[in-house]
Amino acid sequence: KAGVTQTPRYLIKTRGQQVTLSCSPISGHRSVSWYQQTPGQGLQFLFEYFSETQRNKGNFPGRFSGRQFSNSRSEMNVSTLELGDSALYLCASSLELDKYGYTFGSGTRLTV
Amino acid sequence: AQSVTQLDSQVPVFEEAPVELRCNYSSSVSVYLFWYVQYPNQGLQLLLKYLSGSTLVKGINGFEAEFNKSQTSFHLRKPSVHISDTAEYFCAVRARNKFYFGSGTKLNVKP
Repeated sequence: KAGVTQTPRYLIKTRGQQVTLSCSPISGHRSVSWYQQTPGQGLQFLFEYFSETQRNKGNFPGRFSGRQFSNSRSEMNVSTLELGDSALYLCASSLELDKYGYTFGSGTRLTV
Repeated sequence: AQSVTQLDSQVPVFEEAPVELRCNYSSSVSVYLFWYVQYPNQGLQLLLKYLSGSTLVKGINGFEAEFNKSQTSFHLRKPSVHISDTAEYFCAVRARNKFYFGSGTKLNVKP
C-alpha cells in the first residue's frame, strides 16, 4: 500500500513569491494534517483537514492556507514568501481525526 | 495549555547498550501519546502510541514506552540499541484535536 506522497521534494523560491505544496494521503485515509519543521522552532502544527473541511488550525499567519479535495488529497499554499518560511513541510494522514497514529510523508524542503 | 518536553537534546550510547529517551508533558485534558522517529531527510515514522489500557506499550524495532500518569511522563526505552537506531526521536501528544511535538532527541549510537 502506497504511503503518503508529497510533491515536490524540493523547492527554491524567491521572497515575495507564492508556493503550493501537494500531499496525497494513504488510500482510505480521510484526515490530512500539515506541519512545519525548522531547526529553531521544531515541529509546529499548521492545520488539519477532514472530509474537505479544516478542523484545526495552528498559530500561523493567514499567508498559510490549505484545502482538501474530495479524494482526500490536500494542498498547502504559502503566499508572499518570507525568508523565515524556509523549512521542511510535512504532511501526515490518518484514517480518522484524533487518536489514530498519523503516517507522515517525506516532506517538501522549501528554501526561500 | 499543552506542552511536551524532551529534556535531552542528544543522547550518545554504545551499540548493544540500553537507552531511555525521556518525555514529559503537561496537559489539563486527556491525551494520546506517541513516539516518532525521523531519519535524515525523511518524514516521521510512528514507533508506538498510547491510547488507553496497559501503560506499557510495545512498538516497532524493539522499542517500548511506559505511560506514567502521575508523573506525566512517557519515556521511550530499548534494551539493546543498534547502529541503525541512530536518528532523531520525537515525543508527541494529541490533545484537543491538535498534535504537540517535543523538540526531539538525537540518538547517536556508537560502535
